[in-house]
Amino acid sequence: QQQVKQSPQSLIVQKGGIPIINCAYENTAFDYFPWYQQFPGKGPALLIAIRPDVSEKKEGRFTISFNKSAKQFSLHIMDSQPGDSATYFCAASTYLANQAGTALIFGKGTTLSVSS
Amino acid sequence: DAGVTQSPTHLIKTRGQQVTLRCSPISGHKSVSWYQQVLGQGPQFIFQYYEKEERGRGNFPDRFSARQFPNYSSELNVNALLLGDSALYLCASSTDRANYGYTFGSGTRLTVV
Repeated sequence: QQQVKQSPQSLIVQKGGIPIINCAYENTAFDYFPWYQQFPGKGPALLIAIRPDVSEKKEGRFTISFNKSAKQFSLHIMDSQPGDSATYFCAASTYLANQAGTALIFGKGTTLSVSS
Repeated sequence: DAGVTQSPTHLIKTRGQQVTLRCSPISGHKSVSWYQQVLGQGPQFIFQYYEKEERGRGNFPDRFSARQFPNYSSELNVNALLLGDSALYLCASSTDRANYGYTFGSGTRLTVV
């Protein structure tokens, strides 16, 4: 129930293509769904995030689509560039015991390669 | 403003040893969380501290401990190191105990030999 399943594991697209990364979850108590981008040797950087009462959010070339009934959400990268080559993680926020704090549950990641 | 800073950046330890990792949050951030990222996997939650109190603990053995200081910096301690503890240890800070807008540091790469 605390898992976030992410697919595909890896993705190769041409420059200008639109890679799509998908995530699914079971726990309906998750209340915040961020996407992180990670380059080798660096920590994850917050890219874009959405709450479950919103079906779509766009920030620049990045779009999250959220389907609450299906418990799925996805990241679309418009006009992808070689500089977008990185590992992408979806995550979901959960309250800890007694709601004393929160934690992020991460998917296993998608390695994106954008060729020029 | 400086981001989340972690030290050291790399560390090699022998099985059975103890290690202390350090984290300085962004100025004004009162919550610090620790995550373990094994190669090829997503980060896994270890601890959250807020206002110097432990707010939560992930599924990690008691060999892992942490604390937060009055200036909101934090240390993660791991005792009796195992080969499986080799990972990137990430610290993230946020303004409050909710993790909306977490900022991660670049991590400490721990190798246990």
